[in-house]
Amino acid sequence: NAGVTQTPKFQVLKTGQSMTLQCAQDMNHEYMSWYRQDPGMGLRLIHYSVGAGITDQGEVPNGYNVSRSTTEDFPLRLLSAAPSQTSVYFCASRAGQGYGYTFGSGTRLTVV
Amino acid sequence: GIQVEQSPPDLILQEGANSTLRCNFSDSVNNLQWFHQNPWGQLINLFYIPSGTKQNGRLSATTVATERYSLLYISSSQTTDSGVYFCAVITQGGSEKLVFGKGTKLTVNP
Repeated sequence: NAGVTQTPKFQVLKTGQSMTLQCAQDMNHEYMSWYRQDPGMGLRLIHYSVGAGITDQGEVPNGYNVSRSTTEDFPLRLLSAAPSQTSVYFCASRAGQGYGYTFGSGTRLTVV
Repeated sequence: GIQVEQSPPDLILQEGANSTLRCNFSDSVNNLQWFHQNPWGQLINLFYIPSGTKQNGRLSATTVATERYSLLYISSSQTTDSGVYFCAVITQGGSEKLVFGKGTKLTVNP
């Protein structure tokens, strides 16, 4: 198993640009989530999904969009990048209740 | 919401030393995880341990859910153990969210 795969690993965007952070898992996990990690703020939940076709907002959803058309993929879209979205983004998945989360290796995003 | 507190915030060890990291949580939980964030930023799942004791090599963890704490033991520490150790609990009801403690920053010197 490759686990949770995130691409790209690094990205620089200009303010106003849009992009999609990719997340894929090959463990047939039902639950997937996106977090951002910022110094002094810890990890904050952006969006999550408890199954294909089901998504919901986390703590800091503004400026981000998600969809879950398949069990494997959970892309995160930045609609119009802002410097405040400079962060490290982590995707995570777990099989369901009674199981823990596995994290991807992260995407370091800089918005200039 | 649930509060997760970790201690100590910082820990400096010589290679070969043992250590115990503590995680307290404010409400009853039926899930808890320990993670290691290495100096390259990767978050590695160490243990999913809602209760009881688990061991994996030099690392072991114990959760006493009824007393609302968990302990992570590192024995014979190595420089590669350096990084930040987080405990986290998954909220119950409502959103599917991991609530993290602020972490323990471990530095192991050669």
